[in-house]
Amino acid sequence: SQQGEEDPQALSIQEGENATMNCSYKTSINNLQWYRQNSGRGLVHLILIRSNEREKHSGRLRVTLDTSKKSSSLLITASRAADTASYFCATDTGRRALTFGSGTRLQVQP
Amino acid sequence: EPEVTQTPSHQVTQMGQEVILRCVPISNHLYFYWYRQILGQKVEFLVSFYNNEISEKSEIFDDQFSVERPDGSNFTLKIRSTKLEDSAMYFCASRDPEGETQYFGPGTRLLVL
Repeated sequence: SQQGEEDPQALSIQEGENATMNCSYKTSINNLQWYRQNSGRGLVHLILIRSNEREKHSGRLRVTLDTSKKSSSLLITASRAADTASYFCATDTGRRALTFGSGTRLQVQP
Repeated sequence: EPEVTQTPSHQVTQMGQEVILRCVPISNHLYFYWYRQILGQKVEFLVSFYNNEISEKSEIFDDQFSVERPDGSNFTLKIRSTKLEDSAMYFCASRDPEGETQYFGPGTRLLVL
């Protein structure tokens, strides 16, 4: 797989359920960042986790990082219809240029 | 809250024409980036810029592309002779010297006909 690949590619859930998205990468990283993109719009930064961190929380978001498996997960708890968007992981290998994954399209049904 | 702004939001141009995409990064940020996203594809890194020079560029960023910080606030991406395959959403991002987070602008959607 390429650096920064998310799965699933698409996820449809009901409002109130939790949504989990996974990201795998290939090379060593300094940090991993998650972004959100509403259809055809800009990228909104959600959360950054450094390579020496294992878990981080921000509101309804929980991110984990397993550097031994080169993977990360983003959990959105108690999802809302407004969470409908595409979610991307992006890795920073220290070069500062971010490498983005293909994204997970999340649809939250009201 | 400070944010990155980009103009125009949409641009339509004829193949072979020059386009300049403009960005105003967050004011105390010193690192600037351009990325692009072809419709339905990944966001791809183009170039990073620091201290008035390019610090890194991808293989996409060929001689047709150039960047400039013409004054203390703007950061521009110029495409000299546009091709059909340059049609994409172009994102500017900036980062402060102490941080790791890149903050993205809303993008310019470029359509080359």
